[in-house]
Amino acid sequence: AQTVTQSQPEMSVQEAETVTLSCTYDTSESDYYLFWYKQPPSRQMILVIRQEAYKQQNATENRFSVNFQKAAKSFSLKISDSQLGDAAMYFCAYRSAHNAGNMLTFGGGTRLMVKP
Amino acid sequence: DVKVTQSSRYLVKRTGEKVFLECVQDMDHENMFWYRQDPGLGLRLIYFSYDVKMKEKGDIPEGYSVSREKKERFSLILESASTNQTSMYLCASSLWGASSYNEQFFGPGTRLTVL
Repeated sequence: AQTVTQSQPEMSVQEAETVTLSCTYDTSESDYYLFWYKQPPSRQMILVIRQEAYKQQNATENRFSVNFQKAAKSFSLKISDSQLGDAAMYFCAYRSAHNAGNMLTFGGGTRLMVKP
Repeated sequence: DVKVTQSSRYLVKRTGEKVFLECVQDMDHENMFWYRQDPGLGLRLIYFSYDVKMKEKGDIPEGYSVSREKKERFSLILESASTNQTSMYLCASSLWGASSYNEQFFGPGTRLTVL
């Protein structure tokens, strides 16, 4: 079974600064996807960024980028130029590339606080 | 615009009551999911359905059942609520298929308190 670990229950960052959230996972599969989801306070969870394991290039979406280290089974999220609206719970998630049912395995989450 | 709705944002029930949580999606998605979210544990899959009347157990199905009579609606049932079922419940849906672009879309959640 796959497991996903987020070792930082809480993080804080100053507005306009950069922060990195950590995620490690354990799997015996070679073909899979990794995701970061954002859950703002009292709002719906949304997808921030996705990474396919077969791609060597790290995914980027505007101010969000990942550092995907397949051999180390590490998948960190970097948020640049942090904004107050980035304050949220962030969840790292894993999915097998052969799972048509799209079932996700989530980490425990990291609460990000942004200081003005 | 993609939409997943849940019947209640907050719910308070008593021990032993039968509880129904409803989820509706308007995206014609095949897959629907029920998760439980607890601090430090992230989201854990309770049940999953990939078609009408089809269901699969997730990681923590004990004490729960589900019903999917229509494609757009997926219900979570607590047959006899217990205090350890106090939690946030999230519903999600997605298209069937292994593409990484078949992402899950989430509802706003139902915070259930069992007294």
